[in-house]
Amino acid sequence: QQQVKQSPQSLIVQKGGISIINCAYENTAFDYFPWYQQFPGKGPALLIAIRPDVSEKKEGRFTISFNKSAKQFSLHIMDSQPGDSATYFCAAEALDNQAGTALIFGKGTTLSVSS
Amino acid sequence: DARVTQTPRHKVTEMGQEVTMRCQPILGHNTVFWYRQTMMQGLELLAYFRNRAPLDDSGMPKDRFSAEMPDATLATLKIQPSEPRDSAVYFCASGLASAGPYEQYFGPGTRLTVT
Repeated sequence: QQQVKQSPQSLIVQKGGISIINCAYENTAFDYFPWYQQFPGKGPALLIAIRPDVSEKKEGRFTISFNKSAKQFSLHIMDSQPGDSATYFCAAEALDNQAGTALIFGKGTTLSVSS
Repeated sequence: DARVTQTPRHKVTEMGQEVTMRCQPILGHNTVFWYRQTMMQGLELLAYFRNRAPLDDSGMPKDRFSAEMPDATLATLKIQPSEPRDSAVYFCASGLASAGPYEQYFGPGTRLTVT
């Protein structure tokens, strides 16, 4: 129940196309859903995050769509660029758990944007 | 600019040897995480601390792994004895937990190879 399932494992998109990465979770206590971006040889870095009180959040070319009833959320990268080529991780956390929790990460999606 | 530092960046050791990895969290951050990243398992949480107290180390093999925070500026992850299956990239991340969601800042990682 603690898992976050991420798909696809890898994705190839042409420059200018839309990249879509999906995640699903089971634990209804999760209430914070960030996406992290990792370039080769670097640690992951926060890209964008959403809480379940909204269904969508947009920052530049990056959008999170959130479906609370389906327990799914996705990352959309519009006008994908070669510089977006990286590994993307979705994650989830139950912030209101007083016992203390941490982020649960999906297994990652390797995105390649071809020019 | 403030960043998480990790040493060493690379470590090659023989099976059975002790390995110590160090992390300096961002000054003022009160939460420290240790993750292990492999191709097969993705990002796995090993342990985390809040205000130097261990909150969860259920992700660590207890017989060989230990994590400590001797002071607020240093976190250590020790493996003794090391095994080839411990080969991975180990990340430290820090954050400032007060109320609500907060960003985890990842270090550059320690690439461990156990032969």
